[in-house]
Amino acid sequence: DVKVTQSSRYLVKRTGEKVFLECVQDMDHENMFWYRQDPGLGLRLIYFSYDVKMKEKGDIPEGYSVSREKKERFSLILESASTNQTSMYLCASSLAGLVSTDTQYFGPGTRLTVL
Amino acid sequence: GDSVTQMEGPVTLSEEACLTINCTYTATGYPSLFWYVQYPGEGLQLLLKATKADDKGSNKGFEATYRKETTSFHLEKGSVQVSDSAVYFCALSQTYGGSQGNLIFGKGTKLSVKP
Repeated sequence: DVKVTQSSRYLVKRTGEKVFLECVQDMDHENMFWYRQDPGLGLRLIYFSYDVKMKEKGDIPEGYSVSREKKERFSLILESASTNQTSMYLCASSLAGLVSTDTQYFGPGTRLTVL
Repeated sequence: GDSVTQMEGPVTLSEEACLTINCTYTATGYPSLFWYVQYPGEGLQLLLKATKADDKGSNKGFEATYRKETTSFHLEKGSVQVSDSAVYFCALSQTYGGSQGNLIFGKGTKLSVKP
């Protein structure tokens, strides 16, 4: 079974702090994704990566950056956290290439609160 | 751009009732269609998918048929259980350009099943 793990289930940070959210997958997947989930808005794509050191902006990249130094790990960085970044963050991975039929596998999520 | 519209929730049903959650989409090309489920406190997991017109996806008693003529992918189950209580997301996978393979999600429908 594919396993996607996220470093924290719950995180509380202060405005202006630099925040790192870590995601690790154990199935040698090429593609990794970061979403945020908000009530009434569903899931929105922040960034994705289809290879090590490669990254692409999703629909809402403003205020975020990412890092993919190793194939299994994809980090989401909030350079200066703001209260409007309080949300549930979900990481996902999928097999390889940009294939529309592939299933994405999700981690359990990190609920981030910015005070 | 591509989009997914699913019925607003919450939906509350009694055990053994029939379930239908409507989902329609707008897309360029021929997307793959997915239903993901999110149980309380967990990440999303794939429930079922269909990759071409007239395909039927099925899993755990749920099923959905890819209807190109009505651009729909409605989720159905003949007899729901308390354990089906969750949030259900309809999604499409883009098939063109640099976003190929990325998922576009609906806003989610919360289902509560009462004993």
